[in-house]
Amino acid sequence: EVQLVQSGAEVKKPGESLKISCRGSGYIFSAYWIGWVRQMPGKGLEWMGIIYGGDSETTYSPSFQGQVTISADKSISTAYLQWNSLKASDTAVYYCARLRGNCGGGTCYYQLWGQGTLVTVSS
Amino acid sequence: DIQMTQSPSTLSASVGDRVTITCRASQSISTWLAWYQQKPGKAPKLLIYKASTLESGVPSRFSGSGSGTEFALTISSLQPDDFATYYCQQYDSYPGLIFGGGTKVDIK
Repeated sequence: EVQLVQSGAEVKKPGESLKISCRGSGYIFSAYWIGWVRQMPGKGLEWMGIIYGGDSETTYSPSFQGQVTISADKSISTAYLQWNSLKASDTAVYYCARLRGNCGGGTCYYQLWGQGTLVTVSS
Repeated sequence: DIQMTQSPSTLSASVGDRVTITCRASQSISTWLAWYQQKPGKAPKLLIYKASTLESGVPSRFSGSGSGTEFALTISSLQPDDFATYYCQQYDSYPGLIFGGGTKVDIK
């Protein structure tokens, strides 16, 4: 079965660091792009950035450039989303999703989604 | 940047109704548009891509139309399982992959 499995919910304090994961299975991880999407409580979907599983080429949304780091380890079919210093406003559900289409040219969409990781940042 | 505007933001309907949600792009995106369904507490699910192509496994009561700047998602006969929030997403170019604000379909 083709699926993306994300790491579990996290509760952190402001200023702490965090790295959440998204493991792909049932397909060739290095042949696809993976994207990260934020959903703040009661709000809509926001694209954060995407990464190619083959060579870790990354494109960030201007809204998230410099705020997070997206990385991948193809040897274990896993993509990551990382913060160096969390803020309360980072509280959200974060989804990873496998993309389909020509992401190198920007024409791709989210075909398969992980279950989401809830990140809560509170003092 | 391209902006995506969905309307309405909320739609109240009954089982069996024909429902149409619209999505407008601030500039032409050809047919580079996808539609997703999201139920509370769940991940989004791809319904339609390239404006009108139904994703495998999605019921045929869902259909998409449009090109350029005006798009629509239509549910021909609303079923109980269809009460959810729907998002459009453009993927014409970077910084793309931008979603519309969402349309919540609830029970009248």
